[in-house]
Amino acid sequence: DAGVIQSPRHEVTEMGQEVTLRCKPISGHDYLFWYRQTMMRGLELLIYFNNNVPIDDSGMPEDRFSAKMPNASFSTLKIQPSEPRDSAVYFCASSLHQGAGEQYFGPGTRLTVT
Amino acid sequence: AQSVTQLDSQVPVFEEAPVELRCNYSSSVSVYLFWYVQYPNQGLQLLLKYLSGSTLVKGINGFEAEFNKSQTSFHLRKPSVHISDTAEYFCAVRRMNSGYSTLTFGKGTMLLVSP
Repeated sequence: DAGVIQSPRHEVTEMGQEVTLRCKPISGHDYLFWYRQTMMRGLELLIYFNNNVPIDDSGMPEDRFSAKMPNASFSTLKIQPSEPRDSAVYFCASSLHQGAGEQYFGPGTRLTVT
Repeated sequence: AQSVTQLDSQVPVFEEAPVELRCNYSSSVSVYLFWYVQYPNQGLQLLLKYLSGSTLVKGINGFEAEFNKSQTSFHLRKPSVHISDTAEYFCAVRRMNSGYSTLTFGKGTMLLVSP
């Protein structure tokens, strides 16, 4: 398996622009997670899905952030409008419910908002 | 709710020396335990996990961890580190047997290996 795939790997955009981050989970995994990592706040869980349904979005910072999972193999995280404080590395991870439920992470998208 | 404390934010060590990265957790129920490693500019990679059974768990790259229930600890060790082990290490827990729960991560420990 190719693991969790994220695109783009790097994104530089200007304040006010819309940004869309993409994720393909590991085939067969029924949970998908979006995280944000910054030096100041560390690793934060933004939202997670089970079988394509959002379960907990309490970590989403504000209404400018939205996430969707239209099918089992694709998810997006959208920021509109983007702000400089959104600059961070965004990770997608997936897991199975069975067993220990360890999560497998993608390589991340480094977002810079100028 | 669970919480994870990684007592050291940074651990400097010389190459070929042993290292221990400390992790303590708090939980009212039994938990699964994990260590992840994050190399520069990469995602988190699972190093090892503890589910049950033997309290000494062996992982990839020569790392091992020992679960101590009485001290609620899950310290990570390696007898001889390499320069390539320089990375950030995260301890995480997940609640057992009560529906689904997400991972709770510690704040990470940066391992700095120098020649």
